[in-house]
Amino acid sequence: QKEVEQDPGPLSVPEGAIVSLNCTYSNSAFQYFMWYRQYSRKGPELLMYTYSSGNKEDGRFTAQVDKSSKYISLFIRDSQPSDSATYLCAMSANGAQKLVFGQGTRLTINP
Amino acid sequence: NAGVTQTPKFQVLKTGQSMTLQCAQDMNHNSMYWYRQDPGMGLRLIYYSASEGTTDKGEVPNGYNVSRLNKREFSLRLESAAPSQTSVYFCASSSGGGYTFGSGTRLTVV
Repeated sequence: QKEVEQDPGPLSVPEGAIVSLNCTYSNSAFQYFMWYRQYSRKGPELLMYTYSSGNKEDGRFTAQVDKSSKYISLFIRDSQPSDSATYLCAMSANGAQKLVFGQGTRLTINP
Repeated sequence: NAGVTQTPKFQVLKTGQSMTLQCAQDMNHNSMYWYRQDPGMGLRLIYYSASEGTTDKGEVPNGYNVSRLNKREFSLRLESAAPSQTSVYFCASSSGGGYTFGSGTRLTVV
């Protein structure tokens, strides 16, 4: 069993929809949670960074962490075609060192 | 502000050939990493360097060696390339607030 599980998709939604992306994990020591966005043929870029449980909002993006359920989510509101990318969750136990990545979910926003 | 620079961007090797992938960062980060990314496998850690002068194995180190040349540079060497090493390789650096990735090297071993 992988430490971090993420549905690879693909996920296809119409423009303007609310998108929900999720990851589950098994290591209860994880405290730092991140979401990366990766466009085709590019390197991943950091999108959201949260510590411990709770919500964090940045523009159209909201990251949620539920440590009791070992479950994290990324919500994208008013999705745009430019949001089409692969989204990877990542987490670590200690100060973002040695991140463990999910497999990534491929998302397409259709105009 | 270049961030993390990887060279080369593309490479084709024959089985048994050797090569070194170069990585340099200009953000004064202490930690540097090498990952490979394969379809359906996500990002897998090959080697990392928590600080200048130290290196450690990650999840898939077999067939690779690394050198942390100085604080800026972290190279990955394939001594005898195999078709199983066909992949996209990413270098990353961190100071504890998340990773900054390079744009990757696409390596094909034939």
